[in-house]
Amino acid sequence: DAGVTQSPTHLIKTRGQHVTLRCSPISGHKSVSWYQQVLGQGPQFIFQYYEKEERGRGNFPDRFSARQFPNYSSELNVNALLLGDSALYLCASSSPGARGAMAFFGQGTRLTVV
Amino acid sequence: AQSVSQHNHHVILSEAASLELGCNYSYGGTVNLFWYVQYPGQHLQLLLKYFSGDPLVKGIKGFEAEFIKSKFSFNLRKPSVQWSDTAEYFCAAEAGGTSYGKLTFGQGTILTVHP
Repeated sequence: DAGVTQSPTHLIKTRGQHVTLRCSPISGHKSVSWYQQVLGQGPQFIFQYYEKEERGRGNFPDRFSARQFPNYSSELNVNALLLGDSALYLCASSSPGARGAMAFFGQGTRLTVV
Repeated sequence: AQSVSQHNHHVILSEAASLELGCNYSYGGTVNLFWYVQYPGQHLQLLLKYFSGDPLVKGIKGFEAEFIKSKFSFNLRKPSVQWSDTAEYFCAAEAGGTSYGKLTFGQGTILTVHP
């Protein structure tokens, strides 16, 4: 079975530009979450989507947005890029359960803003 | 606010040494707890999880963790580490019960094992 796939793997953008990152969850998983991992830190929660609805949002500015499609894939969009947006962006998919969900992570997209 | 803290940023051990990585969380209500591992160049992988029940949970590759509610801790242990355990380890938590996978991570602990 394919795991969580993210594209592109690496990306270089200029300050002020816009970027779109993509994620395909594990087959059967309806929940997708996005995380930002800055070098030397743990992943920080950005968004969570379940059944195409936003279920959670982390402490990130409105320049960050996301959506989930009918096939449960997801996009993360970042507008007006800043140097500080340089990070590894991780997508995780999970299948919610009554006791808890296990999140499975993709390889991530390494974004460099210059 | 919900938070997770890991005590050690970098741990260096020799093969066959015992390992314990500390993790404390601050959450209101019930909590689910996880340890993830990130090997060099690879994606985050789940080592083990605690949802409820037996506070001593066993994971893959000989790792185990103990949930101590009174101490708000979920420390990771392994009796004898191997060179292949060299990686970064992350403790994570989420609100218990029905969940959609919103995790709060600690800062991570880099483990270096010398042969």
